[in-house]
Amino acid sequence: AQTVTQSQPEMSVQEAETVTLSCTYDTSESNYYLFWYKQPPSRQMILVIRQEAYKQQNATENRFSVNFQKAAKSFSLKISDSQLGDTAMYFCAFINPYGGATNKLIFGTGTLLAVQP
Amino acid sequence: EPEVTQTPSHQVTQMGQEVILRCVPISNHLYFYWYRQILGQKVEFLVSFYNNEISEKSEIFDDQFSVERPDGSNFTLKIRSTKLEDSAMYFCAARMGNTGELFFGEGSRLTVL
Repeated sequence: AQTVTQSQPEMSVQEAETVTLSCTYDTSESNYYLFWYKQPPSRQMILVIRQEAYKQQNATENRFSVNFQKAAKSFSLKISDSQLGDTAMYFCAFINPYGGATNKLIFGTGTLLAVQP
Repeated sequence: EPEVTQTPSHQVTQMGQEVILRCVPISNHLYFYWYRQILGQKVEFLVSFYNNEISEKSEIFDDQFSVERPDGSNFTLKIRSTKLEDSAMYFCAARMGNTGELFFGEGSRLTVL
């Protein structure tokens, strides 16, 4: 069974600094997707960035980038130039959509990020 | 236009009452999901739905829960007799084919008194 592990329950960063959130996962599959979702106090689930496992290039979205290490099963999120609005819970998630209808998104336990002014 | 719309945004109910949470994905989504998040805890999978039937459910999804998509658009989660521990945020999600990405609704906060 697939599992997703986030070992940092809470992190803090100063505004304008860079922070990296860690995520590891376990799977025997070779094709899958990985995501980082942001959940602000409103509790809405917002997609931050996605990575397809067959792509070697690390995904980037403006200030957000990932370090995808497939062999190590590691998928960390780097937030550059942190802003107060980045304060939120961040969830790492895994899915293999190729197996058909039964595949679901599996979440890690989340990392609560606080950006300090 | 959001990919997935959920109603109500917040519902307060008495223990033992029936609750129906509704989700409207856009028409080209094929796979549908309900997740639950108790305040301060992880996001838990409840059920997935495809081709008008349940494809997978978790141990949380007991006989008190049911899902249906009666008219091909609305995807509903029914809790037959709510318990205090059902108080949580319930998220509907949908995806298209093999793109992998789930589109989440804004969530329905259920408070059981």
